[in-house]
Amino acid sequence: GAGVSQSPSNKVTEKGKDVELRCDPISGHTALYWYRQSLGQGLEFLIYFQGNSAPDKSGLPSDRFSAERTGGSVSTLTIQRTQQEDSAVYLCASSLDSGSPTDTQYFGPGTRLTVL
Amino acid sequence: RKEVEQDPGPFNVPEGATVAFNCTYSNSASQSFFWYRQDCRKEPKLLMSVYSSGNEDGRFTAQLNRASQYISLLIRDSKLSDSATYLCVVNINNNDMRFGAGTRLTVKP
Repeated sequence: GAGVSQSPSNKVTEKGKDVELRCDPISGHTALYWYRQSLGQGLEFLIYFQGNSAPDKSGLPSDRFSAERTGGSVSTLTIQRTQQEDSAVYLCASSLDSGSPTDTQYFGPGTRLTVL
Repeated sequence: RKEVEQDPGPFNVPEGATVAFNCTYSNSASQSFFWYRQDCRKEPKLLMSVYSSGNEDGRFTAQLNRASQYISLLIRDSKLSDSATYLCVVNINNNDMRFGAGTRLTVKP
């Protein structure tokens, strides 16, 4: 079946503009995660959606970042008033969230954001 | 202290060598553990889960030591195609997953 998809694959924007990044998780996966990865660095957790529960927003770096998940499926990560330090690859992952501790995450190809 | 720590490397080894990576985690209540592989400019992909008794998948062996809070990955008979960054991942609570920064491996002819 289809994996996690993200769009756009690349986004170049000017400092101060808003951007929206989209993630389509694997069908039936109830857990969805957003991460950020700067060049040569590890993954930085941003936000986690689990079913209908309130999202875990503890990783969002500032109030310029927000995310929503509509209908328990597609998610949008929005960055307002982008700054150059926001430049990174934004990765989305989903998992079955069956309650088993061995649930694994499947990643999308990421959106490479460049803020000029 | 970081929740998940890895030696960043790089590890440069010749083809056919055996190489081992370690990863330590700080949360003793962590529930499950994984190794992911990430190729340059690609997304991470699951390599293998790590079970308490240790597990093997072909040339790859994963071990878990809960008492010392570390996980290891052993690669035998390394191939050029094994060159990648290996990410240690810990599920600390109910799908709250924490990633290490990764260990970079280069296998040379």
